[in-house]
Amino acid sequence: IAGITQAPTSQILAAGRRMTLRCTQDMRHNAMYWYRQDLGLGLRLIHYSNTAGTTGKGEVPDGYSVSRANTDDFPLTLASAVPSQTSVYFCASSEGEGGWNEQFFGPGTRLTVL
Amino acid sequence: AQSVTQLDSQVPVFEEAPVELRCNYSSSVSVYLFWYVQYPNQGLQLLLKYLSGSTLVESINGFEAEFNKSQTSFHLRKPSVHISDTAEYFCAVSGLHQAGTALIFGKGTTLSVSS
Repeated sequence: IAGITQAPTSQILAAGRRMTLRCTQDMRHNAMYWYRQDLGLGLRLIHYSNTAGTTGKGEVPDGYSVSRANTDDFPLTLASAVPSQTSVYFCASSEGEGGWNEQFFGPGTRLTVL
Repeated sequence: AQSVTQLDSQVPVFEEAPVELRCNYSSSVSVYLFWYVQYPNQGLQLLLKYLSGSTLVESINGFEAEFNKSQTSFHLRKPSVHISDTAEYFCAVSGLHQAGTALIFGKGTTLSVSS
């Protein structure tokens, strides 16, 4: 079934540890996004990529990095996790970068930093 | 800069009652408007969208939303809700802004339908 997969489903992480959240899509979409969802705050954009080889910062990029080596994969790395990064992380993709494009979301990764 | 305000954080209703989830946006440029739905422990799914043309847009499961440019609103309505409509609903806007064309989301409205 075409779509977006994220791994892991959930993770408990000690503060200071490095963690990479994985995201893979098989729809050959050009644009990909990482959001974090926090209670009462909705979804906020962390980083985005309009096409393979390019990335950009969103609303809350500090403490996170991304790479886009190919069309399908868009990993999100926390170099040194802090408790404020406890959240649910959603990866999304869209066919193009135009604002009219529907975004398709993965199932999410629930991350707890202790 | 663009922003989205969902005026109600929680909306409790009884089954078969009508419901309206309110959304206002601000933008200095033309926008595209979306409603996404998130069922418990799932990712978001597109419910409906306004791109251009008719200001009234409908979803396949009975929801509708009307784009009102003068009031900068995109309220979501359903004349008769079901238990299965219980979910979190997010209004979102996109357009040209400094972070590419990613979506700007409201904080969400929890719709709770009870019998």
